[in-house]
Amino acid sequence: ETGVTQTPRHLVMGMTNKKSLKCEQHLGHNAMYWYKQSAKKPLELMFVYSLEERVENNSVPSRFSPECPNSSHLFLHLHTLQPEDSALYLCASSQDRRGMNGELFFGEGSRLTVL
Amino acid sequence: QKEVEQNSGPLSVPEGAIASLNCTYSDRGSQSFFWYRQYSGKSPELIMSIYSNGDKEDGRFTAQLNKASQYVSLLIRDSQPSDSATYLCAVNIRDGSDYKLSFGAGTTVTVRA
Repeated sequence: ETGVTQTPRHLVMGMTNKKSLKCEQHLGHNAMYWYKQSAKKPLELMFVYSLEERVENNSVPSRFSPECPNSSHLFLHLHTLQPEDSALYLCASSQDRRGMNGELFFGEGSRLTVL
Repeated sequence: QKEVEQNSGPLSVPEGAIASLNCTYSDRGSQSFFWYRQYSGKSPELIMSIYSNGDKEDGRFTAQLNKASQYVSLLIRDSQPSDSATYLCAVNIRDGSDYKLSFGAGTTVTVRA
């Protein structure tokens, strides 16, 4: 069983749709993250959760709404997205959120296309 | 100025050669530096971490850090086709009273058989 699993792996949605991305980690970690990866751009941190509490929101548009019901699960709810939101969305986890360790464990990603 | 900068490549090297990847960062107070490898269609995975000036070797990989020059590099010796991937440099950057992990855009390496 892989450490961090994401579903769906691919998602195509219209601008008026509502969908959700799901992430589950089996590593016993306390921190979970959502990153956005666009071609030729650095990974963009979107949200950080530590022990189910959101600790960081990097000015992400409100059309992205995270949810962390427990330390093993993380969701990203999507609504009224724009074509420029098309990207690979990566979930990651780490032992804690202090960041100095730098060891993030990533899921395989959800490739999102907004038409 | 970008927090972490890398040459995007592609960097093409023949099999058996040394691939040299470079990364510069903006925060002089950064203390932790990492290299992630990302195969096409896959997620990034941590391959090296370095915290002190100098070289750190792990198998065919060597990370080099020069804090005075704000420069970190990755050398891949005896490059293999399986090393073809995008390599992401990541640096812990101060963010107020905390630190955040900031990534470069990545360098794509192609090893020619």
